[in-house]
Amino acid sequence: DGGITQSPKYLFRKEGQNVTLSCEQNLNHDAMYWYRQDPGQGLRLIYYSQIVNDFQKGDIAEGYSVSREKKESFPLTVTSAQKNPTAFYLCASSISGGYNYEQYFGPGTRLTVT
Amino acid sequence: AQSVTQLDSQVPVFEEAPVELRCNYSSSVSVYLFWYVQYPNQGLQLLLKYLSGSTLVKGINGFEAEFNKSQTSFHLRKPSVHISDTAEYFCAVRLSNTGKLIFGQGTTLQVKP
Repeated sequence: DGGITQSPKYLFRKEGQNVTLSCEQNLNHDAMYWYRQDPGQGLRLIYYSQIVNDFQKGDIAEGYSVSREKKESFPLTVTSAQKNPTAFYLCASSISGGYNYEQYFGPGTRLTVT
Repeated sequence: AQSVTQLDSQVPVFEEAPVELRCNYSSSVSVYLFWYVQYPNQGLQLLLKYLSGSTLVKGINGFEAEFNKSQTSFHLRKPSVHISDTAEYFCAVRLSNTGKLIFGQGTTLQVKP
């Protein structure tokens, strides 16, 4: 089955620690995205990548970092500089970054930092 | 600035009743419109999309939406809801110049027996 895998589903960390969220897709999509979801705020774009070895900041990139070394993988690191990291994180992909291609979403990772 | 507003944060409705979830957007460029559904602790699933052509768009699970350019709206409707439709629904617009996807705040549909 083709799709997007995010692991783990739940993640707990202590404040001050960096943490990396995994996102893997086997859809052969060129573009991948990371969103953050908070209650009542919809989804906000953190980073996106339209091709391997290239990525751009979204609306709320501060305190986050990404890499895109392989087409199928787009891990997100939440650094200790992120002031409010507790949230639900969603990874998505699309055939390309073009406007008429829908984004497919993974199941999400809920991160709790205490 | 571009924005998407979902006018109701929660919509309670009885099973088999009709429902409308409202979405308005603001944009200086042409847009492409989407509705997604999210079940608890899951990712988003595409319900329907409007790219061009007929302004009435039919999607999965019996949902449909109508694009109204003059009112900059894209309201989602279903003539008869089921308990299983209980979920959060997101309206999103994709800008034609940047390709960026902008989401509304979400509407929680609560279907009661």
